[in-house]
Amino acid sequence: LAKTTQPISMDSYEGQEVNITCSHNNIATNDYITWYQQFPSQGPRFIIQGYKTKVTNEVASLFIPADRKSSTLSLPRVSLSDTAVYYCLVGDMDLSGAGSYQLTFGKGTKLSVIP
Amino acid sequence: DGGITQSPKYLFRKEGQNVTLSCEQNLNHDAMYWYRQDPGQGLRLIYYSQIVNDFQKGDIAEGYSVSREKKESFPLTVTSAQKNPTAFYLCASSSGSSRGSFEQFFGPGTRLTVL
Repeated sequence: LAKTTQPISMDSYEGQEVNITCSHNNIATNDYITWYQQFPSQGPRFIIQGYKTKVTNEVASLFIPADRKSSTLSLPRVSLSDTAVYYCLVGDMDLSGAGSYQLTFGKGTKLSVIP
Repeated sequence: DGGITQSPKYLFRKEGQNVTLSCEQNLNHDAMYWYRQDPGQGLRLIYYSQIVNDFQKGDIAEGYSVSREKKESFPLTVTSAQKNPTAFYLCASSSGSSRGSFEQFFGPGTRLTVL
């Protein structure tokens, strides 16, 4: 089971780009990298997912180097509403395969956006 | 309006009582999950279900039970055997159909307090 390491907290000013890096040295061949955002007293919300190289959607980019031992979530021009906890998950979610759930949420990175 | 609903939002129980948390989804998802979150911590998996009438234990299943009689419903019972049940409980679902479809959709959560 791949374990992830993220910074516990980060601060950023409004309008800046924020990069949150996640280390996952033991990532397996079938593992995907997924990021979630969670506001207090709410369920997490899916942000982005990738396997290798770069993935971009309307809210974020995910950069994954060739060795896949780390990944970086990039949030462009953050606003106060981006203050939340961000979770990096690594796992194989092919439930039709081995049948064992391989996805663990760590403690996440608490991002505080400052006016 | 598709999504996941959990009820109740807040729940209080006395020590020694069993309590059942409701989770319903109308997303036609095959897989459903229950997580527990303690203050300042990440999510820990309690149980998950890939299909109707089948479920597997997660990392912290002791003191909990589930059923999956219908595709739309995945209730969680917190039994009196659970020694520290006060927590925020989150239900999620995913299509669970193909490799790489990792997006989980979360409900609003139920905050359980044992008095």
